[in-house]
Amino acid sequence: DVQLVESGGGLVQPGGSLRLSCAASGFTFGKSWMTWVRQAPGRGLEWVANIKDDGSWTFYVDSVKGRFTISKDNARNSLYLQMSSLRADDTAVYYCAVWGDGWGFDYWGQGTLVTVSS
Amino acid sequence: QSALTQPRSVSGSPGQSVTISCTGTSSDVGAYNYVSWYQHYPGKAPKLMIYEVNKRPSGVPDRFSGSKSGNTASLIISGLQGEDEADYYCCSAAGDYTMVFGGGTKLTVL
Repeated sequence: DVQLVESGGGLVQPGGSLRLSCAASGFTFGKSWMTWVRQAPGRGLEWVANIKDDGSWTFYVDSVKGRFTISKDNARNSLYLQMSSLRADDTAVYYCAVWGDGWGFDYWGQGTLVTVSS
Repeated sequence: QSALTQPRSVSGSPGQSVTISCTGTSSDVGAYNYVSWYQHYPGKAPKLMIYEVNKRPSGVPDRFSGSKSGNTASLIISGLQGEDEADYYCCSAAGDYTMVFGGGTKLTVL
């Protein structure tokens, strides 16, 4: 079975940094494009970033460009999201997901909560 | 990268059909046949219900179907069941390997 387990969330002060991880199993991670999606409290889903299977291409929503970096370690079957210069409006549950061939997000993790507050 | 427009809520009685619309622009929904739909129970992981406008992943009941006309995509749920009560989100390719979600629709089964 496909499993995606996010970790690394927590409370961070505005302007701070945090690195999220997503441990993947049950599928060929090295051949999979991956994504991060977030949901702010009381709000809808928001696409954050995509990464190509080999990690060579990355794509971001405008609001996080220059502050967030998506990466993957295919040897460790792990996806990451390095977040810096965090703002209150980055507060959200962050989900990792598999971006399938049909451009749908086929499998999702349970999410990890990031709270940006002083 | 503006969010796609969905109705905030829809409702229907068991056995009825409901349609959830998702309106974008000629740069996203209108430009690509890469519209997907997700079912989301609060506190749970979202679930892919439809991809490429009208394709169903294995295991998704055929009560769920999708369509698209111009800049508007639709999710149709027929034979409503109580377990269908959830939030539903559309998502579209938006160029340069970026994606955009709709604001979400809360489905209530009366």
